[in-house]
Amino acid sequence: QLVESGGGLVQPGGSLKLSCAASGFTFSGYSMHWVRQASGKGLEWVGRIRSRTNSYATAYAASVKGRFTISRDDSKNTAYLQMNSLETEDTAIYYCTRRGSSWSPGDAHYVYFMDVWGKGTTVTVSS
Amino acid sequence: EIVLTQSPGTLSLSPGERATLSCRATQSVSSSYLAWYQQKPGQAPRLLIYAASSRATGIPDRFSGSGSGTDFTLTISGLEPEDFAVYYCQQHGSSPEWTFGQGTKVEIK
Repeated sequence: QLVESGGGLVQPGGSLKLSCAASGFTFSGYSMHWVRQASGKGLEWVGRIRSRTNSYATAYAASVKGRFTISRDDSKNTAYLQMNSLETEDTAIYYCTRRGSSWSPGDAHYVYFMDVWGKGTTVTVSS
Repeated sequence: EIVLTQSPGTLSLSPGERATLSCRATQSVSSSYLAWYQQKPGQAPRLLIYAASSRATGIPDRFSGSGSGTDFTLTISGLEPEDFAVYYCQQHGSSPEWTFGQGTKVEIK
């Protein structure tokens, strides 16, 4: 399972660091993603960090690039989302998800999807 | 950037009816990387379908996915009370970015 923590109220321009604690699977072998959802709105991909095998490569949505940083500590089975220069538009529930995979014999490659989700942690950016 | 557009925005149906949800992409998407998720109020999303047509573990066979290229469909063959929820399609491809559709709400008529 995945358990997010660290959400709360922060002023515009402030910073917050979210954590995602994993259990029940070999955390180090998986890419981890962050997805957010503003109240009453749809899902928005925030970014991801790949595994050590893939050099811990990160990628971000354009809306957060340069402000947010994803990291991980495999010894603690935890992923992090460092959020700086927060804006009111960043107010949302933040979900941590695992990138699962399955071998596709027909295509002769792996297919990927988000198969495990945390319950989310709420971030409110307001003065 | 590939944009996914879901239709309709809201689908009003009765239990037992068939639901057909559409997801259209602005450019071709590999069916290998098209997934569907269900989200109920106050809950995290749940994976239903991956690779356009493969059901995730534990998903009932009344849920099915189809499509290719730019047009994909999620079908619920006979709505159960627990199926009334919001459904999202999602894609990822050669770009590192993953994108979601805006969602279709299936509500009780």
